[in-house]
Amino acid sequence: EVQLVESGGGLVKPGGSLRLSCVGSGFTFSNAWMNWVRQAPGKGLEWIGRFKSKANGGTIEYAAPVKGRFTVSRDDSINMFYLHMNSLKIEDTALYYCTTGRVFDIWGQGTMVTVSS
Amino acid sequence: DIVMTQSPDSLAVSLGERATLNCKSSQSVLYNSDNNNYLAWYQQKPGQPPKLLIQWASARESGVPDRFSGSGSGTDFTLTISSLQAEDVAVYYCQQYYSNPFTFGPGTKVDIK
Repeated sequence: EVQLVESGGGLVKPGGSLRLSCVGSGFTFSNAWMNWVRQAPGKGLEWIGRFKSKANGGTIEYAAPVKGRFTVSRDDSINMFYLHMNSLKIEDTALYYCTTGRVFDIWGQGTMVTVSS
Repeated sequence: DIVMTQSPDSLAVSLGERATLNCKSSQSVLYNSDNNNYLAWYQQKPGQPPKLLIQWASARESGVPDRFSGSGSGTDFTLTISSLQAEDVAVYYCQQYYSNPFTFGPGTKVDIK
């Protein structure tokens, strides 16, 4: 079964840090372009970062609201994709989804990040 | 950034009737070198992650019922549900994957009348 499972969410204070993890199974992880997409409570979808497969150059891209604060990384040996979040702001509160592809064809269930004092 | 807009914000359609959802991009998402529109549609039901329905503006994903169809080119796109079923109640998002940032529209909520 093709699956993505996120973990690592929680409550963090403004200015704090958090690392989200995503494990993939049922597909060739090393060939997949991996993305993070977030959804604030009751709001729409926002793409925030991508790590292309090594075969496609391993290019990393970010959306402007998170560039310089968030970092994506991957470990293909254990099918893991990460989002390292620093200098968190209240507006980063959201459900964070891990997704695959140039279009987002596989999605996890998401992990909730709440930034609050 | 390419701004995606969707209309209407919400619509209620009787079971078995047609639903027409619109999506507009602030600049063309048609890539001339391959003649493809870099436009996708997603369905999100309450409490669930989004599900990819259509990519390349009109290519339905495997397993998606054929009552869902996508059309359009350049900057104007449409998702049509030909005969609305109860299980189609959801929010539908369009998204461009033409250029970074890969932006979504604000969504259209579909309900049963």
